[in-house]
Amino acid sequence: DTEVTQTPKHLVMGMTNKKSLKCEQHMGHRAMYWYKQKAKKPPELMFVYSYEKLSINESVPSRFSPECPNSSLLNLHLHALQPEDSALYLCASSAQGDYNEQFFGPGTRLTVL
Amino acid sequence: RKEVEQDPGPFNVPEGATVAFNCTYSNSASQSFFWYRQDCRKEPKLLMSVYSSGNEDGRFTAQLNRASQYISLLIRDSKLSDSATYLCVVTLSPSNTGKLIFGQGTTLQVKP
Repeated sequence: DTEVTQTPKHLVMGMTNKKSLKCEQHMGHRAMYWYKQKAKKPPELMFVYSYEKLSINESVPSRFSPECPNSSLLNLHLHALQPEDSALYLCASSAQGDYNEQFFGPGTRLTVL
Repeated sequence: RKEVEQDPGPFNVPEGATVAFNCTYSNSASQSFFWYRQDCRKEPKLLMSVYSSGNEDGRFTAQLNRASQYISLLIRDSKLSDSATYLCVVTLSPSNTGKLIFGQGTTLQVKP
């Protein structure tokens, strides 16, 4: 059973809406990640937070805005999305250690109309 | 050339069969190696980390060949529940901001 939780499980939004995805981990991990996954493709990294600071932004459009309020929480704020942004959005976390095993949450399935 | 390459399959095998997946990576600076399993419409789940000495977990055996830049996963006595996509994953950097580099995944279908 995952110890990374994500809400909501499903989200349908229009192109003018503003919504937020939420992620929480209870493992004491200090690195957290957002990924986007399209059907039949592997996950694509969007953002990495390390010790609550943004350390990697993979050239993600500004309509996606991450936020890390504390070491357990990670948000992804969405605004003015496009239909091609419809995908599974996955959050992951990892401890600070040599192996960087990442543990994924169940994801939010986003549909942009 | 892709950074991590896998045969996408699908691999269709009968229950009880032994199946092997291979994966190659292009960057010799790769540091950590993993196999993840992903069921349809679910999140990837860590199956195994892959160590230089090779490692085994029940019916699953992972091997790493750094000289050939090659990783393998062997599944013995396949079960119906092993049907999934298996993702080969490497990281380049040390842990702190480790970026996972995924292969395209290999699909396994175990049939009765």
